[in-house]
Amino acid sequence: QVQLVQSGAEVKKPGASVKVSCKASGYIFASYGITWVRQAPGQGLEWMGWISVYNGKTNYAQQLRDRVTMTTDTSTTTAYMELMSLRSDDTAVYYCARGDPVTGGDLWGQGTLVSVSS
Amino acid sequence: SYVLTQAPSVSVAPGKTAKITCGGNNIGSKSVHWYQQRSGQAPVLVMSYDNDRPSGIPERFSGSNSGNTATLTIGGVEGGDEADYYCQVWGGSSNNPHAIFGGGTKLTVL
Repeated sequence: QVQLVQSGAEVKKPGASVKVSCKASGYIFASYGITWVRQAPGQGLEWMGWISVYNGKTNYAQQLRDRVTMTTDTSTTTAYMELMSLRSDDTAVYYCARGDPVTGGDLWGQGTLVSVSS
Repeated sequence: SYVLTQAPSVSVAPGKTAKITCGGNNIGSKSVHWYQQRSGQAPVLVMSYDNDRPSGIPERFSGSNSGNTATLTIGGVEGGDEADYYCQVWGGSSNNPHAIFGGGTKLTVL
């Protein structure tokens, strides 16, 4: 079955880091990029960045560039998104999607809620 | 930076046609993707490259893109179409690609 399965919800304190995983199955992992998108409560979709699984090339949204790192592990067909120095406005549902900025996302994970609160 | 503008809400009676628009400067020169997000669920791609319907998306969904406006059209609207709809384009350059989302349109089926 072609799917992306994300890790579970996280609760973090301000200043901490979070690492969300996205396990791909049912397709050739290296043939597609992985895009990360987040959605704050009651808000729209925000593009965070993407990674080429094929060569590891990344591109991050300007406003997150200093705090986000995206990686992949081809041996386990898993993508990761780590966000550092968390703030309360990082509270959101984080989604991974198969695809890149040109192709769009044709397959999405179920989302991971990250709550940041003191 | 490039901005995509969507109306916050659109309402339509069941069986009628809904048109959801996405405005942007010369958007007709870009490829537009559309996502449907039902309440509490992950987004689903319903239209890619302006008018290419992914497998499993009903023929009632169609897309167009010209000038400064891209449009997602849903014919014979059903209750299950009630959702938020987002347009997305590719921005930046080949060396610095990024995606841009519109603010979303909430489709209400009356």
